[in-house]
Amino acid sequence: SQQGEEDPQALSIQEGENATMNCSYKTSINNLQWYRQNSGRGLVHLILIRSNEREKHSGRLRVTLDTSKKSSSLLITASRAADTASYFCATDERIKAAGNKLTFGGGTRVLVKP
Amino acid sequence: NAGVMQNPRHLVRRRGQEARLRCSPMKGHSHVYWYRQLPEEGLKFMVYLQKENIIDESGMPKERFSAEFPKEGPSILRIQQVVRGDSAAYFCASSREGGDTEAFFGQGTRLTVV
Repeated sequence: SQQGEEDPQALSIQEGENATMNCSYKTSINNLQWYRQNSGRGLVHLILIRSNEREKHSGRLRVTLDTSKKSSSLLITASRAADTASYFCATDERIKAAGNKLTFGGGTRVLVKP
Repeated sequence: NAGVMQNPRHLVRRRGQEARLRCSPMKGHSHVYWYRQLPEEGLKFMVYLQKENIIDESGMPKERFSAEFPKEGPSILRIQQVVRGDSAAYFCASSREGGDTEAFFGQGTRLTVV
């Protein structure tokens, strides 16, 4: 399996329910980022969580990071139809003096039914 | 402050032609990254550039693909003698200096080779 794999691959829920997706990775990281991609569009940055952080919140989003298990989860609470999108986790790898090369998982496709 | 700008948004090329994809990073960002996304898959790193320097091109195919980020002007991803397998969405991202900063993505260029 590759770095940054999401689970499940697809998720279908009713509006108002919570959506949880997980990401596993293999190597040591500096940080882990979650992105959202609407069909046919670019990526929208959601949250960055550093390797020394365990949990982070942003609005209806909650991200956890467990570096001992090399895993992260993204929770979307009180989902809305507009949350329908693909969600990707991305881990970074330091490149020489600066910069971060991101490795993406295959994504979780979330469908929120009204 | 405009985001990462990519153009064109859509590009159609016949087999054997050249494709040129442009990316202007966000103001103040000196790091540019190119990624490729095949349908229903996550993004795959291609190349990382700073002004006038290629820092990491480990994800670039050995032939036909090249990238540059000149002192003046946008970053260019060039694909020579395109083949059908090059059809994909190509995303550019930029970040400030430092490896723990967010990478912001453009809307992508969707290349179709006919």
